[in-house]
Amino acid sequence: TQLLEQSPQFLSIQEGENLTVYCNSSSVFSSLQWYRQEPGEGPVLLVTVVTGGEVKKLKRLTFQFGDARKDSSLHITAAQPGDTGLYLCAGPYWVTGKLIFGQGTTLQVKP
Amino acid sequence: DAGVIQSPRHEVTEMGQEVTLRCKPISGHNSLFWYRQTMMRGLELLIYFNNNVPIDDSGMPEDRFSAKMPNASFSTLKIQPSEPRDSAVYFCASSLGSTGAADTQYFGPGTRLTVL
Repeated sequence: TQLLEQSPQFLSIQEGENLTVYCNSSSVFSSLQWYRQEPGEGPVLLVTVVTGGEVKKLKRLTFQFGDARKDSSLHITAAQPGDTGLYLCAGPYWVTGKLIFGQGTTLQVKP
Repeated sequence: DAGVIQSPRHEVTEMGQEVTLRCKPISGHNSLFWYRQTMMRGLELLIYFNNNVPIDDSGMPEDRFSAKMPNASFSTLKIQPSEPRDSAVYFCASSLGSTGAADTQYFGPGTRLTVL
């Protein structure tokens, strides 16, 4: 069974700090996605990484796909209160293609 | 454009009652997904449809759960009889393509179900 493990599970930081969230697996994924979910809403796709070693930037967010395509990271520079939310990584299960989600990282950015 | 629409947003019911959750996908999308989110198990895929046909229902927990998609603009997830352990937030998502997880999925706001 392919599993995605995220760390840390919870993160509380001050505005302006940097942070990194990790998504790891013992299995190879053809791609990985990152979502952000705000309270009372559904997850919203932030980015999809496809190529091993790929780096994508979305304003202050930097996403990286590991060279072996078994892990990914999300780095936020100068976090803001608007970054608060649940961050989920997800990847397609190689047999059926359905999305498997990590448990998520809850981020709280205090003003 | 309207996103994925789910109803009701909140549902409180008593154990043993039938619960029906509804979803209207984004117009023109070919795939529809039902997910369940709990603190313990995170976000899990229950079932997904492509062109109104169920493709993968391996995540449906047991026979008490059933899902239908009678047409391209409507789907239901039914729990009968409901149990307290079914309490969760249920999300519906839709995507444009037919390749399952490879396409961008757009999630609805969810239905928070509480079974007493």
